[in-house]
Amino acid sequence: AQSVTQLDSQVPVFEEAPVELRCNYSSSVSVYLFWYVQYPNQGLQLLLKYLSGSTLVKGINGFEAEFNKSQTSFHLRKPSVHISDTAEYFCAVSPLGNEKLTFGTGTRLTIIP
Amino acid sequence: DAGITQSPRYKITETGRQVTLMCHQTWSHSYMFWYRQDLGHGLRLIYYSAAADITDKGEVPDGYVVSRSKTENFPLTLESATRSQTSVYFCASSIQGNEQFFGPGTRLTVL
Repeated sequence: AQSVTQLDSQVPVFEEAPVELRCNYSSSVSVYLFWYVQYPNQGLQLLLKYLSGSTLVKGINGFEAEFNKSQTSFHLRKPSVHISDTAEYFCAVSPLGNEKLTFGTGTRLTIIP
Repeated sequence: DAGITQSPRYKITETGRQVTLMCHQTWSHSYMFWYRQDLGHGLRLIYYSAAADITDKGEVPDGYVVSRSKTENFPLTLESATRSQTSVYFCASSIQGNEQFFGPGTRLTVL
């Protein structure tokens, strides 16, 4: 079985400051890794994904994440945030060959003007 | 390109009633999923389907029933609604080995 831990339930950040949202996972098999974003009253939208290859993955809206196998982490970063980045962010994993996603509990990112 | 739609978007019902939430996708994706989203739990998988007439339980299936007679539809039925089933329900679809695409959600309140 897989599990995902997002230690920070809420992260307040000043506008134009950098941000890192942390994600750690546990799995006995190799996994695919995902970050999804949920804007208020909307469904989830894919930000980026790691399937294989380069451990630094670039996504939409200027976000990137780095897969660290030894630390079982997949932290999400953005060098300069904007008001429009206010949302909830979910990290998720799925085992290779299995379509089921296991989600973390989410991190609410609040941008302070 | 309608993508993936859910209906109704909002539903209020009473304990003990049967409720069906609809999900429809226009991409002919083979996989479809139902999740519930609750504060402090993130999203939890209720049921999923790999193809028409193939369904399987997820993490929290108790109290729910699904069917998939057509590839594009994946309805979720609460046979006898309970207050603990008050939640936001999301449907998703995917092609094997790719990311899941989510619908806009249905907010269900059970009184």
